[in-house]
Amino acid sequence: AQSVAQPEDQVNVAEGNPLTVKCTYSVSGNPYLFWYVQYPNRGLQFLLKYITGDNLVKGSYGFEAEFNKSQTSFHLKKPSALVSDSALYFCAVRSTVSGGYNKLIFGAGTRLAVHP
Amino acid sequence: DGGITQSPKYLFRKEGQNVTLSCEQNLNHDAMYWYRQDPGQGLRLIYYSQIVNDFQKGDIAEGYSVSREKKESFPLTVTSAQKNPTAFYLCASSMGVAEFNEQFFGPGTRLTVL
Repeated sequence: AQSVAQPEDQVNVAEGNPLTVKCTYSVSGNPYLFWYVQYPNRGLQFLLKYITGDNLVKGSYGFEAEFNKSQTSFHLKKPSALVSDSALYFCAVRSTVSGGYNKLIFGAGTRLAVHP
Repeated sequence: DGGITQSPKYLFRKEGQNVTLSCEQNLNHDAMYWYRQDPGQGLRLIYYSQIVNDFQKGDIAEGYSVSREKKESFPLTVTSAQKNPTAFYLCASSMGVAEFNEQFFGPGTRLTVL
């Protein structure tokens, strides 16, 4: 079955420290991977995506993600966390058995808490 | 939240009532989607539409219905057949069905059954 796993329900980081939010995936074929962020009672905002090419993808608000094919991972990173980064983060992968439509499979989400 | 609007922001429903959630986009996107979000479960796909006058069931379509009469509009009706409708509902759109097109999300509607 195709799936996305975000192994940590919550990640706690001190402001100014680097942060990592983990994501692993399971799909057949080449993966198309996405990260989204959600603030309380709001919709999801797109951060970045991996389609092909360079394994390090840069996105919005200073975030980046590293694609690792051998480990089937797509971890989200930021060199220096801000309190305003505190939110719910979702990893998603495009299903490869969706019959041609753009179906995304989402992880359960990781809550990031950045402390002053 | 880009060019996608959802209304109302909060909706309260009595048992046995049908309610309709509005979703409008001005991004000229062909594809639109409805998701349901429950705590700790991520997002689950209810319905999607790749083009006007066409829509398909997603993973949890039972108790829901949709229409796509206009490119910019994709309303979702939560019927009385949906046994546990209390959730946060998110509408999204994408430029097309290509695998590299990210989806853009609206601000959501929180539905509560009284």
